[in-house]
Amino acid sequence: SQQGEEDPQALSIQEGENATMNCSYKTSINNLQWYRQNSGRGLVHLILIRSNEREKHSGRLRVTLDTSKKSSSLLITASRAADTASYFCATDAKGGRRALTFGSGTRLQVQP
Amino acid sequence: GAVVSQHPSWVICKSGTSVKIECRSLDFQATTMFWYRQFPKQSLMLMATSNEGSKATYEQGVEKDKFLINHASLTLSTLTVTSAHPEDSSFYICSARDPGLAGRNNEQFFGPGTRLTVL
Repeated sequence: SQQGEEDPQALSIQEGENATMNCSYKTSINNLQWYRQNSGRGLVHLILIRSNEREKHSGRLRVTLDTSKKSSSLLITASRAADTASYFCATDAKGGRRALTFGSGTRLQVQP
Repeated sequence: GAVVSQHPSWVICKSGTSVKIECRSLDFQATTMFWYRQFPKQSLMLMATSNEGSKATYEQGVEKDKFLINHASLTLSTLTVTSAHPEDSSFYICSARDPGLAGRNNEQFFGPGTRLTVL
């Protein structure tokens, strides 16, 4: 499966600032999901947005999806040091085996 | 939500030995399980799709004779890394899917991962 791209690869911000991560993918999708991973640990599911949705909110998270551009963004508002982690987008491709295809990830560092 | 466990959480072995990693769905039946591999500072790459009672489907470039997958029951899939070498050192993560739970969102539940270090 072909991996999507995320940018930036790494992002360092101060506590309280907003963090925006972008994801591009290659195929038609059923949905796109965002995950968080602390260093060397498992995945935490953050939010899922369906292909017919354009924007979704969950707490301090805001996700947008543009299927015409095959891209998505994750915005974390009022960041905290505890948000420091790697963030991955993952797509559920139409007609696929239902496995997820992960983006390359963004490493976020929030300085206290 | 549904829980998936992996065992062991980490393992160190000598080059040439075989290592078995278990992935269990604890409170649901997983007809399909997926195995991913993650090298340091990289993303997750799908290795294979494991369907209960049938042969696994491997992604291009993944050697099926080296990475043996068995999905003999609806709650357990195993990945055996045979004749492991240092380049097999990685983080192995499984996910499990129950069509009855997945709904239209194709929900999958990830295990906590197994870190393999081959000396």
